[in-house]
Amino acid sequence: SYELTQPPSVSVSPGQTASISCSGDKLGNKYTCWYQQKPGQSPLLVIYQDTKRPSGIPERFSGSNSGNTATLTISGTQAMDEADYYCQAWDSATVLFGGGTKLTVL
Amino acid sequence: QVQLQESGPGLVKPSETLSLTCIVSGGSISSYYWSWIRQPPGKGLEWIGYIYYTGSTNYNPSLKSRVTISVDTSKNQFSLRLNSVTAADTAVYYCARHQEAGYGSSFDYWGQGTLVTVSS
Repeated sequence: SYELTQPPSVSVSPGQTASISCSGDKLGNKYTCWYQQKPGQSPLLVIYQDTKRPSGIPERFSGSNSGNTATLTISGTQAMDEADYYCQAWDSATVLFGGGTKLTVL
Repeated sequence: QVQLQESGPGLVKPSETLSLTCIVSGGSISSYYWSWIRQPPGKGLEWIGYIYYTGSTNYNPSLKSRVTISVDTSKNQFSLRLNSVTAADTAVYYCARHQEAGYGSSFDYWGQGTLVTVSS
């Protein structure tokens, strides 16, 4: 069965760039999206169709997808960006989520 | 602004059926796909299944034998039934709207989630 793999944790200093990867077989051939989830809150869509930002999502959030890896990049990371991030894609008409990455801003 | 609200019992006994309803407000349930997603405490997200407003469904293969999702367009709501529950089904259950119709879409609106505990 198809799987999406994310690193469990990523750390970044305030103001620096954070990159979170999501890997899967030929993932670049599928649309990937990303969600941010803070403690006690519902997930929030931050990137869809690989690179698009929903209305209201800051420009510092960007996405890419090529080969076997999709990447969420947060430029000029702020303390408020500390959260869990999940990638999501489709395979065989079913929805898949990555295991999630905890982003720590320190 | 579309809003989704889950409702249902917070406690279900093992071997019984978990039943939840998602009420959609601020927009019509028609012309969209709608999903149920769950998250065990301290763990990641798991997609359960989706329904189109016409009643067409698709389920996670790992749960397919136990899941039924239905829609009531007259009440602008859709529902989840998960039978033969065990402690492993303890989770926060979310309902969510698909941003676009069909394959490849993301979830643009989510409910606040409701914790369902399976325990005797």
